[in-house]
Amino acid sequence: QKEVEQNSGPLSVPEGAIASLNCTYSDRGSQSFFWYRQYSGKSPELIMSIYSNGDKEDGRFTAQLNKASQYVSLLIRDSQPSDSATYLCAVNKSGGSNYKLTFGKGTLLTVNP
Amino acid sequence: EPEVTQTPSHQVTQMGQEVILRCVPISNHLYFYWYRQILGQKVEFLVSFYNNEISEKSEIFDDQFSVERPDGSNFTLKIRSTKLEDSAMYFCASSEALLIRYFGPGTRLTVT
Repeated sequence: QKEVEQNSGPLSVPEGAIASLNCTYSDRGSQSFFWYRQYSGKSPELIMSIYSNGDKEDGRFTAQLNKASQYVSLLIRDSQPSDSATYLCAVNKSGGSNYKLTFGKGTLLTVNP
Repeated sequence: EPEVTQTPSHQVTQMGQEVILRCVPISNHLYFYWYRQILGQKVEFLVSFYNNEISEKSEIFDDQFSVERPDGSNFTLKIRSTKLEDSAMYFCASSEALLIRYFGPGTRLTVT
């Protein structure tokens, strides 16, 4: 079983719609969860972090975490063409100072004008 | 906005040659990392570095790899004898504590 799994997409949504991106992880010891955005040929950029069950909102982005189901999601409201990118789910297992992120392969999102 | 910088942006080398990838982390950060991404694949952890020593490394980070912080500002990744499968984008990152917010722009390594 893959450690962090994402639907590779592409996920295509019209401008102004809600984009929903999903991620599952295999290690129940995972404690911290992140969404990064990666434009083609560029480095990952942090969008959201979430550490406890429930929802966390930041502007147009909402991260949702369900540790019992080992599931984390990202909702993007009012999607814009500039949101078109690959969205990477990343998970950290340790709670100490070591900080190894395990990434999923990413979901390619296309927002159509 | 603070940023992590990396040089060179693109490195082409022949198989068996040594390469050194360079990174300048954000100045007040304490934790430094190297990740790599083979074209079309996921971002993979290589190594983390704290207090002038390796704090964690992956199974990818074998004896051919080493890291160094030679002068208090630069952070380098050395690959002693490159293989074709080392071709990838190498990202440096730094953080103050437990959140990697900043990755560098990456060095594309091509081994021929």
